[in-house]
Amino acid sequence: GEDVEQSLFLSVREGDSSVINCTYTDSSSTYLYWYKQEPGAGLQLLTYIFSNMDMKQDQRLTVLLNKKDKHLSLRIADTQTGDSAIYFCSNNDMRFGAGTRLTVKP
Amino acid sequence: EPEVTQTPSHQVTQMGQEVILRCVPISNHLYFYWYRQILGQKVEFLVSFYNNEISEKSEIFDDQFSVERPDGSNFTLKIRSTKLEDSAMYFCASRAILAGGSQYFGPGTRLTVT
Repeated sequence: GEDVEQSLFLSVREGDSSVINCTYTDSSSTYLYWYKQEPGAGLQLLTYIFSNMDMKQDQRLTVLLNKKDKHLSLRIADTQTGDSAIYFCSNNDMRFGAGTRLTVKP
Repeated sequence: EPEVTQTPSHQVTQMGQEVILRCVPISNHLYFYWYRQILGQKVEFLVSFYNNEISEKSEIFDDQFSVERPDGSNFTLKIRSTKLEDSAMYFCASRAILAGGSQYFGPGTRLTVT
């Protein structure tokens, strides 16, 4: 069936950029989303991108979409310790990746 | 800012018992969802609900599960005859519109089946 794949772990130093990658199989995805989940909490929508866009920037967040390769990435500039969380990508088919656990070291 | 709420935050039940998880979606939203997240695993879609009926369900959502919108505000997930493997976080979400509208998630209910 349709699937969304992510790498499971990413560790960066405070102040560095983080890049979280995601691949998906459903080419009909109209929107693709990034969610953040902090420990013990629900999923918080971070940002989304429409499928006819290549890039979307929102403050420290940059989303890149390569529709041909069905590859989505989330770049967090100047990563802070408060960015430590699990990040999920999702297509509009309500399918989520397994989540990437971002650890930010001081 | 409006938010999705869920009760209880933690439910402990014995195997074989029935549980009802409750959600209050954002008031002007039309689409409602339940998801499950087993500890340390991915968020799994269970069911979507629109116009007082199920619009889509996953293979996880078998006869053991049912959903209901008993009044204008609540959206419930009933799990009959719970099994140990039903232990998970259950998230409710709602969405205003289907195309392009973002889902807003509740904080989740942690279900522990003993």
